[in-house]
Amino acid sequence: GNSVTQMEGPVTLSEEAFLTINCTYTATGYPSLFWYVQYPGEGLQLLLKATKADDKGSNKGFEATYRKETTSFHLEKGSVQVSDSAVYFCALSPPGANSKLTFGKGITLSVRP
Amino acid sequence: KAGVTQTPRYLIKTRGQQVTLSCSPISGHRSVSWYQQTPGQGLQFLFEYFSETQRNKGNFPGRFSGRQFSNSRSEMNVSTLELGDSALYLCASSPDPNNEQFFGPGTRLTVL
Repeated sequence: GNSVTQMEGPVTLSEEAFLTINCTYTATGYPSLFWYVQYPGEGLQLLLKATKADDKGSNKGFEATYRKETTSFHLEKGSVQVSDSAVYFCALSPPGANSKLTFGKGITLSVRP
Repeated sequence: KAGVTQTPRYLIKTRGQQVTLSCSPISGHRSVSWYQQTPGQGLQFLFEYFSETQRNKGNFPGRFSGRQFSNSRSEMNVSTLELGDSALYLCASSPDPNNEQFFGPGTRLTVL
């Protein structure tokens, strides 16, 4: 079946540091890939997505590239802010079924001023 | 446009009871999905409804059920509650199953 593996957390960074959160997946065919963010006390928000190999999703300074050869979708940001502190989830959906998401365990990011 | 709303936001029940959670999707959205979030298992897909029909179901026991009404509002029901059912239950809606999902704030269920 489908699965998503995220690096272990939590992660603590200083403001303006570079961020990388690793995500690898196992799936048949060509799934769509997503990064969601969850702020304290809130639901999930879609951060970015990619639907085919070599696609790069980007939003709010975050980027992730769909790498079919390494089955990865690592999240990066060049300079984090305190407001980026949240839980980040990598997820995938089967082709044509974006409403059935498989999530990774999530990783908590804390950014210090 | 109002977002996805879930009621109630918090709920406390005892073992053996049953519970019904409600989700109102964004206006015009016809697809609703439910997820369970726990510290141990993370986020797990429960089921998905589109135009009042269940399209997909996750790997949960039959105690978990759901339905969708003609106005796209959805409910999920858990019968014979167990301690392990304590979780945040998230609802997400989208215009159709192939589009981006928008999540509600969740209902936090505590089973004592």
